[in-house]
Amino acid sequence: QSVLTQPPSVSGAPGQMVTISCTGSSSNIGAGYNVHWFQQLPGTAPKLLIYRNTNRPSGVPDRFSGSKSGTSASLAISGLQAEDEADYYCQSYDSSLSDYWVFGGGTKLTVL
Amino acid sequence: EVQLVQSGAEVKEPGESLKISCKGSGYSFDTYWIGWVRQMPGKGLEWMGIIYPGDSDTRYSPSFQGQVTISADKSISTAYLQWTSLKASDTAIYYCARSDTRGPAYWGQGTLVTVSS
Repeated sequence: QSVLTQPPSVSGAPGQMVTISCTGSSSNIGAGYNVHWFQQLPGTAPKLLIYRNTNRPSGVPDRFSGSKSGTSASLAISGLQAEDEADYYCQSYDSSLSDYWVFGGGTKLTVL
Repeated sequence: EVQLVQSGAEVKEPGESLKISCKGSGYSFDTYWIGWVRQMPGKGLEWMGIIYPGDSDTRYSPSFQGQVTISADKSISTAYLQWTSLKASDTAIYYCARSDTRGPAYWGQGTLVTVSS
């Protein structure tokens, strides 16, 4: 059971928008810790997609956006493309149990 | 350019010991935390622990405390993850990642560890 909760899967047709939620608690997201998002393409290492809740690294298309409110965060992907099919993970920090990094369980995005 | 290059895939038998490595380049290795992350087959990412190479300050996830040892040699810009007695359940891909204000922003390519008799 992951500390951060994500839906196991989401899907959308090319051109559509999907959102992926990441729900935490008062000891992690709700405590004000930043949320980062990663994209993992099949057979590759995770890649930073969104950092500090809403920021995109250079090279990440503006189709990807992040938000945070209360004990949750969200990743939105607009204008879906076939190459967006991947696993997506949220990551934050937790003040309890000495956990430094905590991850969501991951969400598989399928582009129909 | 920041790079983390991990050692190659390993195949071991249960009970054997193992030490895998993660070599950093393109930045000042001893001033950024390096974390280790496990990904079991078909599963998600699990944080194992983290080390600050500058003074070897190390923190472990409770799930991995006592199961692995994380170390670093700043003279050769390399972090390590080691086991003294592997189990079949240690079969996974292990990633190292450099932490900064953007979180674990840079990742190694991963090391596949297979433990089988």
